[in-house]
Amino acid sequence: GAGVSQSPSNKVTEKGKDVELRCDPISGHTALYWYRQSLGQGLEFLIYFQGNSAPDKSGLPSDRFSAERTGGSVSTLTIQRTQQEDSAVYLCASRETRNTEAFFGQGTRLTVV
Amino acid sequence: EDQVTQSPEALRLQEGESSSLNCSYTVSGLRGLFWYRQDPGKGPEFLFTLYSAGEEKEKERLKATLTKKESFLHITAPKPEDSATYLCAVQGANSKLTFGKGITLSVRP
Repeated sequence: GAGVSQSPSNKVTEKGKDVELRCDPISGHTALYWYRQSLGQGLEFLIYFQGNSAPDKSGLPSDRFSAERTGGSVSTLTIQRTQQEDSAVYLCASRETRNTEAFFGQGTRLTVV
Repeated sequence: EDQVTQSPEALRLQEGESSSLNCSYTVSGLRGLFWYRQDPGKGPEFLFTLYSAGEEKEKERLKATLTKKESFLHITAPKPEDSATYLCAVQGANSKLTFGKGITLSVRP
């Protein structure tokens, strides 16, 4: 069985450009999370999807950040007008139900130059 | 707001030297405490879930324990391949996972 897949693995973009990061969760997992990890820092919560419920967007740092999850499966995190402080590793995780363990992808390393 | 504090920030051990990593937490309605291992350039890898005080889980040289305020990850006779960053996370009533900053473990041969 495949794990959580994220693409691209690395992305270098110019300041001011928009980027899209993709997450393919484990098949059948109803919950999906996005986290951000900066160098030497812990995981910063961004957004959480659970089934057909409204997502918990409380961790999105600004209105430049948005995410969607289509058909309860694939998720895309979009960052508009990227800034240098957006440089980080973006991690996606999925879990079967809300109380089971979460499995992470390998992350997308975003560098804004 | 849920909070997780891990200590120490970094730990250097000699191979075979047992020790413990600490995770202190405050959470509204604990639904689970999770331990992960993260290697450089990789995503976190799941290790253990603990749900209630007094619970213990073991896997090879690792043993995780839980009280009402903290969790410990005990490492017995560590090997160099145990070198990694160990992350602790809690889940409260809102299903959000709150992580600590992690503990970087180095085991010297």
